[in-house]
Amino acid sequence: AQKVTQAQTEISVVEKEDVTLDCVYETRDTTYYLFWYKQPPSGELVFLIRRNSFDEQNEISGRYSWNFQKSTSSFNFTITASQVVDSAVYFCAVRGSSNTGKLIFGQGTTLQVKP
Amino acid sequence: NAGVTQTPKFRVLKTGQSMTLLCAQDMNHEYMYWYRQDPGMGLRLIHYSVGEGTTAKGEVPDGYNVSRLKKQNFLLGLESAAPSQTSVYFCASSYTLWEQFFGPGTRLTVL
Repeated sequence: AQKVTQAQTEISVVEKEDVTLDCVYETRDTTYYLFWYKQPPSGELVFLIRRNSFDEQNEISGRYSWNFQKSTSSFNFTITASQVVDSAVYFCAVRGSSNTGKLIFGQGTTLQVKP
Repeated sequence: NAGVTQTPKFRVLKTGQSMTLLCAQDMNHEYMYWYRQDPGMGLRLIHYSVGEGTTAKGEVPDGYNVSRLKKQNFLLGLESAAPSQTSVYFCASSYTLWEQFFGPGTRLTVL
């Protein structure tokens, strides 16, 4: 079974601050996949990134970066120079190695970026 | 491409009533999923399908049924709605086992 914990329920920052959203996962599978999704106030879920368990390279996409550390079972998400448009609920999710594609989501972190 | 669409967008039911939520995708995806989203609990998988004619239970299947008669459609049924089923329901689909594409959601209130 898999489990994802996002300990930060809500985070509030001022525009241009950097912010890191934490994600800790649990899985017994040796091969697994990690995801981040964004849910803006409009309600839709937007895919941000997928990471395979055998690829521990960190990834940067513009102001977004992800730090994957197997040793601590963490897959943290950092937004650099936050903007008001980054305000959303962010979900971390894990999928195991089964052929069903089932995702297990964390509880989500609500990020509020104030101008 | 419309992507993943859900019908209806909003619905109010009385306890004991039944209804069906329709999810349609035009991306020829094999895998389809129904989730519910409740405050503080993230998204939880209700049922899923790995191909036309198949269905399987997720984390919280009780009180729901599903059908996947056509590859592009995945129906979620509530036979006798209860207030505990008040939630936002999301459908998702994926071509492989990679990222899932989500519909816009259906907000259901059961009185």
